[in-house]
Amino acid sequence: QKEVEQDPGPLSVPEGAIVSLNCTYSNSAFQYFMWYRQYSRKGPELLMYTYSSGNKEDGRFTAQVDKSSKYISLFIRDSQPSDSATYLCAMRVDRGSTLGRLYFGRGTQLTVWP
Amino acid sequence: EAQVTQNPRYLITVTGKKLTVTCSQNMNHEYMSWYRQDPGLGLRQIYYSMNVEVTDKGDVPEGYKVSRKEKRNFPLILESPSPNQTSLYFCASSFTVTQGLYGYTFGSGTRLTVV
Repeated sequence: QKEVEQDPGPLSVPEGAIVSLNCTYSNSAFQYFMWYRQYSRKGPELLMYTYSSGNKEDGRFTAQVDKSSKYISLFIRDSQPSDSATYLCAMRVDRGSTLGRLYFGRGTQLTVWP
Repeated sequence: EAQVTQNPRYLITVTGKKLTVTCSQNMNHEYMSWYRQDPGLGLRQIYYSMNVEVTDKGDVPEGYKVSRKEKRNFPLILESPSPNQTSLYFCASSFTVTQGLYGYTFGSGTRLTVV
């Protein structure tokens, strides 16, 4: 079992829809949770991060972490065609021999059509 | 501009011909790492380096070598490339301590095809 599971999609939604992207994980030592966005033929870029449980909002994006369920989500409100990309979740521990290593989900491919 | 620079962007080579993919960062990051990305498999870590002269294997190190002689550079070496190493490769770097805030900075990728 992979440490981080993410449904690869693809996910296709109309412009203006609310998008929900999710990941589950098995390692209870994960403390930092991130979402990366990757456009075609580009490297991933950090979109949002959260530490431990809770919500974080940045414009149209909201990241949620539920450590009790080992489940994280990214919500995109009023989705735009420019949001079309692959979204990868990532997480890491905050101490120990694996400090510095990010564990990635496989990525969810999102298409927002006008 | 703060960035991770990989070269080349595209490379087609033949089986067995040694090659090096270069990676350089200008952010004084301690941590550097190589990933390969394949359809359906996502990003898989090949090697990483916590600092100069400190390297360690990731999940898929077979067939690859790395070195970290300078803080800014972390080349990926394929001594005898094989077709199963055809992939999209990314170099990434970060500050180890504050990585939770800023995550990794990725390069633009190297598309390698081994025929």
